[in-house]
Amino acid sequence: EAQVTQNPRYLITVTGKKLTVTCSQNMNHEYMSWYRQDPGLGLRQIYYSMNVEVTDKGDVPEGYKVSRKEKRNFPLILESPSPNQTSLYFCASSLGIRPQETQYFGPGTRLLVL
Amino acid sequence: AQSVTQLGSHVSVSEGALVLLRCNYSSSVPPYLFWYVQYPNQGLQLLLKYTTGATLVKGINGFEAEFKKSETSFHLTKPSAHMSDAAEYFCAVSTDTGTASKLTFGTGTRLQVTL
Repeated sequence: EAQVTQNPRYLITVTGKKLTVTCSQNMNHEYMSWYRQDPGLGLRQIYYSMNVEVTDKGDVPEGYKVSRKEKRNFPLILESPSPNQTSLYFCASSLGIRPQETQYFGPGTRLLVL
Repeated sequence: AQSVTQLGSHVSVSEGALVLLRCNYSSSVPPYLFWYVQYPNQGLQLLLKYTTGATLVKGINGFEAEFKKSETSFHLTKPSAHMSDAAEYFCAVSTDTGTASKLTFGTGTRLQVTL
């Protein structure tokens, strides 16, 4: 089944404890992206990647890192999480980088930083 | 710069009634427009999208949307609401920035369907 998977789905952590949220797609997609969803703000892009070893900042990149060493994986790293990073995170991918491409979303990761 | 405004964070309709979710966009170049639906505890799923051509776009589950350039709108409609339509709906715009596509979302509209 073609899908985007994220792990973990739920995570509770404490301020300053490094964490990684994994994202993987099995559709051979070029483009991958991370979003965070907050009430009343919709989804905002954190980082995106156009291909292996090509990443760039989105609208809210502060406090986050990403890497794209393999085409299928795009982990999101929080080196020193803070409470304002408590949010619902979505990974997405699309076949290409053209603006009309449909992005396919993972199921989300709910993060609580205490 | 591109942006999306969704009027009404919450919309409530009776089962069988018309669903109308409003979306207005701002873009200095031709936009590509999307509607996504998010069911509770799930990711976003594409309902429909406008790229080029016919301005009336039909999607899944009986939804459709019409691109009106003069009004910078892309409102989502469904003639008859069903209980299973209760979800959050996001309008999004994408334009060609020259480097990579950028999808900008509205703040979402939560649709409640009552008996």
